[in-house]
Amino acid sequence: KNEVEQSPQNLTAQEGEFITINCSYSVGISALHWLQQHPGGGIVSLFMLSSGKKKHGRLIATINIQEKHSSLHITASHPRDSAVYICAGGGGSQGNLIFGKGTKLSVKP
Amino acid sequence: DAGITQSPRHKVTETGTPVTLRCHQTENHRYMYWYRQDPGHGLRLIHYSYGVKDTDKGEVSDGYSVSRSKTEDFLLTLESATSSQTSVYFCAIRRTGEVYNEQFFGPGTRLTVL
Repeated sequence: KNEVEQSPQNLTAQEGEFITINCSYSVGISALHWLQQHPGGGIVSLFMLSSGKKKHGRLIATINIQEKHSSLHITASHPRDSAVYICAGGGGSQGNLIFGKGTKLSVKP
Repeated sequence: DAGITQSPRHKVTETGTPVTLRCHQTENHRYMYWYRQDPGHGLRLIHYSYGVKDTDKGEVSDGYSVSRSKTEDFLLTLESATSSQTSVYFCAIRRTGEVYNEQFFGPGTRLTVL
């Protein structure tokens, strides 16, 4: 069965700290997505990657295909980064995604 | 913004009543999805569509049906709502091409079944 596991489940950080959220996935997942959901808000796609590393502003996503592991890093964290971060594995002809349960990040000023 | 709207955004209904949620897209994407989001479970696929009148079941399809009579609209129906269907429902579309499998989500519908 294809699965996606995230850690940690909850994360509290002080403003300015470097943050890492981890995602492990099983065989059969060929692309990894990172999504962001603010409290009471919609879901926004941050990255989709199948190899290497992608960077957007203070957000960096990496993937190690051999180890079936991806990380989302946030540099110089800010209270507005407080949100739930979700990783999702994609693969197969219908493009269906398998979602992790999310990591709730709270950045304190 | 992938031009996805959902209606209604909030609904409170009673057990046993039928409920239909609508997802509307403006960009003619072939693939559309309905998910539910519950604490402790993350997002789970209910049904998806890969074209007009082409639909298939997802992980948690029991108690739900869908219809897609035109490209832009994907309807989710709860024939007889139960309290276990209280959830936040998200519709999504998939853009195909250069960035395959990337999905974009609607704003969500919060459904409460009393």
